[in-house]
Amino acid sequence: LAKTTQPISMDSYEGQEVNITCSHNNIATNDYITWYQQFPSQGPRFIIQGYKTKVTNEVASLFIPADRKSSTLSLPRVSLSDTAVYYCLVGAYSSASKIIFGSGTRLSIRP
Amino acid sequence: KAGVTQTPRYLIKTRGQQVTLSCSPISGHRSVSWYQQTPGQGLQFLFEYFSETQRNKGNFPGRFSGRQFSNSRSEMNVSTLELGDSALYLCASSPDTGTYTDTQYFGPGTRLTVL
Repeated sequence: LAKTTQPISMDSYEGQEVNITCSHNNIATNDYITWYQQFPSQGPRFIIQGYKTKVTNEVASLFIPADRKSSTLSLPRVSLSDTAVYYCLVGAYSSASKIIFGSGTRLSIRP
Repeated sequence: KAGVTQTPRYLIKTRGQQVTLSCSPISGHRSVSWYQQTPGQGLQFLFEYFSETQRNKGNFPGRFSGRQFSNSRSEMNVSTLELGDSALYLCASSPDTGTYTDTQYFGPGTRLTVL
C-alpha cells in the first residue's frame, strides 16, 4: 500500500480556497486516491475519489498530475464548518485491511 | 439510503469487564470493518467481516473479537477491558464489489471509556 505524506496542519480563513497536497510517490497502477474528512468524535466521511486528472463534486475538487505521485484536494470558499482532519488514502480498496489512515491534515478555519 | 449506524454511542465500563458493540451497515453492503481510534495511535484497523466470515484481522490481541450475522450486521466484543482500550470504535461498511473503487462508509462511532 502506497505511503502518503500530508502536512500535519493548515490554517485558513473563511471564504478562502484551501488546497491540501498529498504525496504518494509509490502509487501503484491500480491505486485510486481517496480523501476523507473527519470531525471530532465522528467517523470519517468520504469526500472525493479519483484516478487521474481532475475530479469535481459538490464539495471539493481533486487534482491529480499525470505522474500521479501527488494529489491536491481543493476546498472552495471554506467556512468554519470545514474545520476538520482530512485524510488522503491511496490504494485499491477491494479490502478494508488495505486501508491505512495516516495522521491526516488538521485544517483550522478562522473567521 | 440510511447510513451506517452504531450502538451504543457512548459507553463507560471498568477494567476487567467486557463490552459488545453493534454495527448495522448500509443496506446492500456486504463488508463490515472495525477500527479503533485513539489520539496517540490514530485510526487502526481491527478486523473485517464478509459473508459472516472474518476476512482480515489487524494487529490486536485476542481480547478483541467480532462476528457478522446473515443480515450483515456485525458486533465486536472486547473482553477483560484495560484502560488503554478507551477509544472511539468505528464501524465501516462497503459494497465490496471487488472493484478498485470500493469505498468505506463510516458510522458515527462508539465512544468507550474504561475506568
